[in-house]
Amino acid sequence: GENVEQHPSTLSVQEGDSAVIKCTYSDSASNYFPWYKQELGKRPQLIIDIRSNVGEKKDQRIAVTLNKTAKHFSLHITETQPEDSAVYFCAASLLPYNTDKLIFGTGTRLQVFP
Amino acid sequence: SAVISQKPSRDICQRGTSLTIQCQVDSQVTMMFWYRQQPGQSLTLIATANQGSEATYESGFVIDKFPISRPNLTFSTLTVSNMSPEDSSIYLCSVDTGVGNTIYFGEGSWLTVV
Repeated sequence: GENVEQHPSTLSVQEGDSAVIKCTYSDSASNYFPWYKQELGKRPQLIIDIRSNVGEKKDQRIAVTLNKTAKHFSLHITETQPEDSAVYFCAASLLPYNTDKLIFGTGTRLQVFP
Repeated sequence: SAVISQKPSRDICQRGTSLTIQCQVDSQVTMMFWYRQQPGQSLTLIATANQGSEATYESGFVIDKFPISRPNLTFSTLTVSNMSPEDSSIYLCSVDTGVGNTIYFGEGSWLTVV
């Protein structure tokens, strides 16, 4: 079955700097890769996702890149702000098959210092 | 996105007791899932709640411990049976709305077993 590894486990950056979180997956058939942000005491919120027919996707300060050959994908946050501080989870899935279930990475705790 | 409501949001439970968590969606959805998030950990899929049939459980989770119902396309319950302190977790309902196969999470149910 699918296995997702996520690095780093913690990341501290200065406000305004960029942050990059990387994930690798094992199942080459996976075709859907979402990223979730979880603030303390709250549910995971989908912030961006990418499908295997696309190499990069951007939404304002957030971008995700996918390298299918190497089986890894990354989250890029530019011009970080203190409110970006949270735990970020990557995930992988095979849609629409495999019952759409998501396999999650272990999470990255991002701290943005003012 | 769908509005996903979970009840209870929080509870403190005595060991040996059982608790049923409800998940209500404001629209019919194709897929509903239950995840567990232990303190400081990532999300682990417990099972897929199938409408009108038995749930599909992931490795390490069994129906006797986590019975699930899904009587219709908008509602599901997860019961945590014979609880022990190790069951203290956040339990999250998630759905695939079928629009772009994007998966969203409910607010979560924070359970503490004492």
